[in-house]
Order: sequence, then C-alpha cells, then structure tokens
Amino acid sequence: EPEVTQTPSHQVTQMGQEVILRCVPISNHLYFYWYRQILGQKVEFLVSFYNNEISEKSEIFDDQFSVERPDGSNFTLKIRSTKLEDSAMYFCASTAGLRNTEAFFGQGTRLTVV
Amino acid sequence: SQELEQSPQSLIVQEGKNLTINCTSSKTLYGLYWYKQKYGEGLIFLMMLQKGGEEKSHEKITAKLDEKKQQSSLHITASQPSHAGIYLCGADRNSGYALNFGKGTSLLVTP
Repeated sequence: EPEVTQTPSHQVTQMGQEVILRCVPISNHLYFYWYRQILGQKVEFLVSFYNNEISEKSEIFDDQFSVERPDGSNFTLKIRSTKLEDSAMYFCASTAGLRNTEAFFGQGTRLTVV
Repeated sequence: SQELEQSPQSLIVQEGKNLTINCTSSKTLYGLYWYKQKYGEGLIFLMMLQKGGEEKSHEKITAKLDEKKQQSSLHITASQPSHAGIYLCGADRNSGYALNFGKGTSLLVTP
C-alpha cells in the first residue's frame, strides 16, 4: 500500500536553530499538507500546497515557517528560528484531490526544541 | 472558524462491549472523516461520510452522519484490544483544502 514517508522520526534542536522536516508524499498525489500536534492537544492545520505554491495557511504558519517541493518528490517544512513552543509532532499528508478525498498521513516527526 | 467537539474525551471499556463516540460540528458539515491514531504515531484513515444519513461500516466499526444535527457517531461493536487508540473526527475546511480536527477520544479496551 502506498504511504507517506517522513524523516527524521525524531529531531532535537536548540532554540533559535533552523530545522527542516522532510516528507515524501504518495507519488501520484497533487496536494500536500503539514499539520502539527502539540502534546495533549488536537491536530492543527498549518499549510496546504498545490502546484508549487501555498494554497492556504493557518494563523500558526507565520514568517518563521516555509514550505518547499525542491525536487518533485520531497516536500519540506522549514522552521527558521525554532522556539520552545514549536515542540510538537509534525505530520505531513497528501491527497489526490480536494474535498471528499482521503488524506494519507505520514508517521510524523517529533520535534523537541530545548 | 469551525469547531469539532468530540465526546467522550476518553473511554475505558471491557473487551467485547460496544461503544459509541460522537463528533459535533459548530458549522455545516460538508464531509466528515474518521481517523484512528495510535499513541505517538500517524493518523490512519477509517471512513469518510459525505451525505446526511450516510452510514458506512468497516469490520466492526460503523459511522453515521446526521447532517441536520451537524453530528457524526462512530460505533464499535464487540470491542477488542486492537481497537485501542485515539479516534479523531475531521471535517473539510471551508476553503476545501485540508481538515479541521476534533481533540480526539482516547479508547482503552481492557481484557
């Protein structure tokens, strides 16, 4: 069965450092997403990406965040200068279409900012 | 913005018992999704409901959508330890991109 792959599974970084979280979406999918889940809280939407540009972003996705699809297979989330409150599980997802379509999620990257 | 309220927050049931989890939306539901999350892992798609009154089943899990009440329920029959995890309901954001999620219902099934 096709799957979304995320690396690394766990990243520890010092406050103020830049991190890049990587994702390989399902190959024939067109829409890509990042979500985050702070420990004990709900899964929150960050950003959606289609046709090499951001389709929608939430209020969480500020100037510290950026996304990129550098080579047609990887989809990355960069956090420019990490803060303690960025510690969370980050999930990548992809879909073949928009509404009424199953989103496939990766296993997540646990980011710990110290 | 849309809020999805799930109840109960957590549930402990004995193996073999039935259970129901509810999800209520603050706004009109255009599509309702149920996912399962094992602790510290990714989300696994269970079912998608699109129309009012729609009901879907997969193995021992049945989900229904009541469009008028802006509500969905997930029912597990004869629960097993493998059903343990966090059940999340999600709904299409107005823009059509991505999903909003409820806080989840944590299910533990005891022998």
